[in-house]
This record gives sequence, structure tokens and C-alpha cells, in this order.
Amino acid sequence: DTAVSQTPKYLVTQMGNDKSIKCEQNLGHDTMYWYKQDSKKFLKIMFSYNNKELIINETVPNRFSPKSPDKAHLNLHINSLELGDSAVYFCASSQDTVTSANEQFFGPGTRLTVL
Amino acid sequence: GNSVTQMEGPVTLSEEAFLTINCTYTATGYPSLFWYVQYPGEGLQLLLKATKADDKGSNKGFEATYRKETTSFHLEKGSVQVSDSAVYFCALSGDKIIFGKGTRLHILP
Repeated sequence: DTAVSQTPKYLVTQMGNDKSIKCEQNLGHDTMYWYKQDSKKFLKIMFSYNNKELIINETVPNRFSPKSPDKAHLNLHINSLELGDSAVYFCASSQDTVTSANEQFFGPGTRLTVL
Repeated sequence: GNSVTQMEGPVTLSEEAFLTINCTYTATGYPSLFWYVQYPGEGLQLLLKATKADDKGSNKGFEATYRKETTSFHLEKGSVQVSDSAVYFCALSGDKIIFGKGTRLHILP
């Protein structure tokens, strides 16, 4: 059984389009995250939700909007895609907030390519 | 603020060589420290962790000791295998988790 799943795995789209990436975890965790990994493998946190409440919102353009319909799902919607949005996006989850030193479980990633 | 610095790669070693990947941190309070590994085409997965000073985390032959006096958490393995080729991330947890920039490791047969 997949613990953290993301769809789609690959996403190729034109500049200016709107797209969504979905994430689901079946671990019963309270906290979920979105990360962006660039071509040099640098990993940057974008958002974190705890029990459907936003708790971390890093400096991310307003074009990115996370939505958590329930604590098992955290989707990422991106408006007006730009070339610089091309990256691999990872969803992750943990038992609760990161200060308790819990392990984060990562999904397989969504490779977004903006043409 | 908190930060993590790890050695830049890529690191290339022959099979059965000894591995060290350096990681140092700055933090207020008493963070937990982690090493995550990312195999090609996959997400990150936890390799080992330590939650307090002098703790040693270990897994799959890898070890790292939480050194408060040198603010370090270096990753070591006595004899690497080709299957250890991956990107390794040092991380610490405070009010949020902070990842280092990653070190790519290539093991040659």
C-alpha cells in the first residue's frame, strides 16, 4: 500500500495554464506539506497544513494555492504557470507538527515542466 | 535563524570505500537531527535520526552522532555499495524542518 501518493507523476503544460497536483496519505497523519525541488536538488518547503489548518506558508507567489479538503488530502493548485515553476513537487506527511521530531514521509514527486 | 550546511557534491567513491558526508548546523534550543536519502526518481526517505546530544542514529550500515560541542551530525559508512548511490540530505527540526542542499553520492563498481 502506498503511504503518500501524488498524481500526476509527470505534468507538461504551456505557460499561462492553470494546473493542480493531488496528494493523499493513508497513514493517519495530522500534518501534510508541499515542497519544491529544483534542478540542483535543493528542497524548499512551500506549505504545511495541520488538521486542515495552514501552519506554514513560505514566501511563495500567490499563484500557488494549497487546499486541504480533509486531513488525508492536500492539493496544490497553480495559476498562470511560468517557466520558473518547472521543478519536482513533493508532498509529505508526518504524525504531527515538525517540532516533535517525527519522521516525514514523502510521496514519489510530480515533475512539472512548463513550456 | 536555524540553518544546515552540508558538504557539496558530487562525491565519487569506489565500492567498499569509507564514506563521510559532513553536516553542521546552527540552531537555537535543542533540535532533532536527521539524514534523509533520495534514490533516483523517488521521494526522500528517512535514513536515520538523533533527538538529543550524543545520540547515535544508525541504519543500513550508516551512522551519525549528534555532536553538540561541534554542532555537527556527520554521516558515515564503513564500506559503501553501488546501491548507496543517491542524494543525501541533512536536516534539523525546530519550528519547521530545514534541509541542507543535498550531497550527491556516486559509487563506482
